[in-house]
Amino acid sequence: QKEVEQNSGPLSVPEGAIASLNCTYSDRGSQSFFWYRQYSGKSPELIMSIYSNGDKEDGRFTAQLNKASQYVSLLIRDSQPSDSATYLCAVNYKDSNYQLIWGAGTKLIIKP
Amino acid sequence: KAGVTQTPRYLIKTRGQQVTLSCSPISGHRSVSWYQQTPGQGLQFLFEYFSETQRNKGNFPGRFSGRQFSNSRSEMNVSTLELGDSALYLCASSPGQSETQYFGPGTRLLVL
Repeated sequence: QKEVEQNSGPLSVPEGAIASLNCTYSDRGSQSFFWYRQYSGKSPELIMSIYSNGDKEDGRFTAQLNKASQYVSLLIRDSQPSDSATYLCAVNYKDSNYQLIWGAGTKLIIKP
Repeated sequence: KAGVTQTPRYLIKTRGQQVTLSCSPISGHRSVSWYQQTPGQGLQFLFEYFSETQRNKGNFPGRFSGRQFSNSRSEMNVSTLELGDSALYLCASSPGQSETQYFGPGTRLLVL
């Protein structure tokens, strides 16, 4: 069964704090992992991709990948009200012809 | 480089009609994926095309079909529309298999 699990939230975080979003997947053969942000009524936009175990940083965003435990997370430092959105995790599944499998998303609310 | 474009942006149809949506990928991208998104729901995968061949297909009825042309532009068709087909239809392009997907603005379809 192809699954990408995310807590639907909403996750409420005070402005300036660190927001932590988590995603677990079931295919040990997965090699590509993506985080997208989607504002209400808009299309998803890529935040970052990660392919190797460890951390990858881009500005205020850090993606963390742990293939042994089959999870990928996204940290947002110094959270801003403009970060309020739904965050989607996507994982490619080797045993499904590398189809991207999407989580249902976590709604993040940054409170001023 | 121009992004993914989708036409039309908005569409109103009545039950029983059919509709064709169009997607032009980023120049040089050969893979196009289609998704359906209803309010509060995650991305539901419809199908993926690569070099004019359908590579993956989601769990949608046969009323949903698609194709890709030699210039990588793609169309999806929904026949015999139902009220439940009202949704945001998103197209995403990527350079190749299991690579980062870039989304178009979407086509918002309303079926009355």
